[in-house]
Amino acid sequence: EAGVAQSPRYKIIEKRQSVAFWCNPISGHATLYWYQQILGQGPKLLIQFQNNGVVDDSQLPKDRFSAERLKGVDSTLKIQPAKLEDSAVYLCASSLNRVDTGELFFGEGSRLTVL
Amino acid sequence: AQKVTQAQTEISVVEKEDVTLDCVYETRDTTYYLFWYKQPPSGELVFLIRRNSFDEQNEISGRYSWNFQKSTSSFNFTITASQVVDSAVYFCALSEREGGSEKLVFGKGMKLTVNP
Repeated sequence: EAGVAQSPRYKIIEKRQSVAFWCNPISGHATLYWYQQILGQGPKLLIQFQNNGVVDDSQLPKDRFSAERLKGVDSTLKIQPAKLEDSAVYLCASSLNRVDTGELFFGEGSRLTVL
Repeated sequence: AQKVTQAQTEISVVEKEDVTLDCVYETRDTTYYLFWYKQPPSGELVFLIRRNSFDEQNEISGRYSWNFQKSTSSFNFTITASQVVDSAVYFCALSEREGGSEKLVFGKGMKLTVNP
């Protein structure tokens, strides 16, 4: 079974530029998550989708971050304009069911460096 | 807000030593789930275990064991006879219900280095 696919693995941009990350979850997984992991910290949830609807985006900085999951399958996370503090690994995860009853499957992440 | 504390940030052991990773949590929920994830150098988090708040039985899986104690709000993880392949960052997490949705709240992680 194919795992969660993410691209690109690495991205270096200058502040105020824009960047987009792509995620393809495991086939059949209804729930998709984007997490931000700053160096030395645990992952922090940015947004959670159930199929193509947003369940939780309370910690998404909406003035610069946006995400969509068209057709309820793959998803894109965009940052525009980027700030230095956005340097982090962006992890995509998917699950079959609700988080507390099902395990999350994570991708390898997209590492963003903002200069 | 719910919280997960992993007091140790980094531990280094020699192969075959036993090592325990501590996790303390805070929650107001009566029903909740606790998790451990492993993050090897490749970056993806790998699910290790899920435990619900009503099940305080300890669990053993090979060299891994987990001790859940509600009285002290702790969910500790022990690796017996550690191996170099166990080197990774380990995260404890708590499921949090907020506004009708569930999400995982992670601790800051503990980096384990197992030396040959």
